[in-house]
Amino acid sequence: SQKIEQNSEALNIQEGKTATLTCNYTNYSPAYLQWYRQDPGRGPVFLLLIRENEKEKRKERLKVTFDTTLKQSLFHITASQPADSATYLCAPSNDYKLSFGAGTTVTVRA
Amino acid sequence: GAGVSQSPRYKVAKRGQDVALRCDPISGHVSLFWYQQALGQGPEFLTYFQNEAQLDKSGLPSDRFFAERPEGSVSTLKIQRTQQEDSAVYLCASSLGVRDSSNQPQHFGDGTRLSIL
Repeated sequence: SQKIEQNSEALNIQEGKTATLTCNYTNYSPAYLQWYRQDPGRGPVFLLLIRENEKEKRKERLKVTFDTTLKQSLFHITASQPADSATYLCAPSNDYKLSFGAGTTVTVRA
Repeated sequence: GAGVSQSPRYKVAKRGQDVALRCDPISGHVSLFWYQQALGQGPEFLTYFQNEAQLDKSGLPSDRFFAERPEGSVSTLKIQRTQQEDSAVYLCASSLGVRDSSNQPQHFGDGTRLSIL
C-alpha cells in the first residue's frame, strides 16, 4: 500500500535561516503533490501544488521540488520568520482523494 | 468570512450516542470532502461529494458512519452508536471541482473535535 513519510523529528531553526522539509512516498506514482500548512486547532491551509512534470515551484519565500525518480519532494522556507512556525503537511496524490503525511512541525526562534 | 464553516467546533458525547457534524462549504464549490485527523497524524480521507452525489465513500471506517449533502451545498456527517475510537478531529474541505478536481487545492474548515467518553 502507498506510504508517505515526512521528517520524523520536529524542526527548530533560528529566524532568518532556511528550513528544509522532506516528503518521501513509496508504492505509487503521484501525478502531483500539494503542501499545506496547519496551525494548532485549525484546518490545513493550501500553500503550493507541483505537478510531476515540474521540477521546482516557488511562491514568495517558499520553494518546492518534486523528484519522481527519488520519489521525494523537498519544501524550503527561506528567510524564515517566527510566523512560519506551524506543522507542514505534504499530500502526493493522483486524484481528488488527498493522502497526507503525518506532517513536520517547524518552530522558528526569534 | 467566506471560508468553509464547521459546527460544532467541539462535541463531547457518551459512548453509544449518535452525533451529527455540519459543514458549510464555500459557496459555489462543487466538490466536498470529509477527512478524519487523529492526534499527531495527517488527515485521512473519508468521503467525497460532487454536488449532491456521493461519489466515493471508501474511507468511511464502518457502516456507523454516514454522510449526506442533499441539496449540493451543506453536508452532514453522522456517526451512530459512537465508540471511543471515533474520537478525532473531523475536517471538511471543499474545492471548485468544476471539471477536474484532482489537482485543485482544497479549502479546509477548522474541524469538529469529537471526544467520546
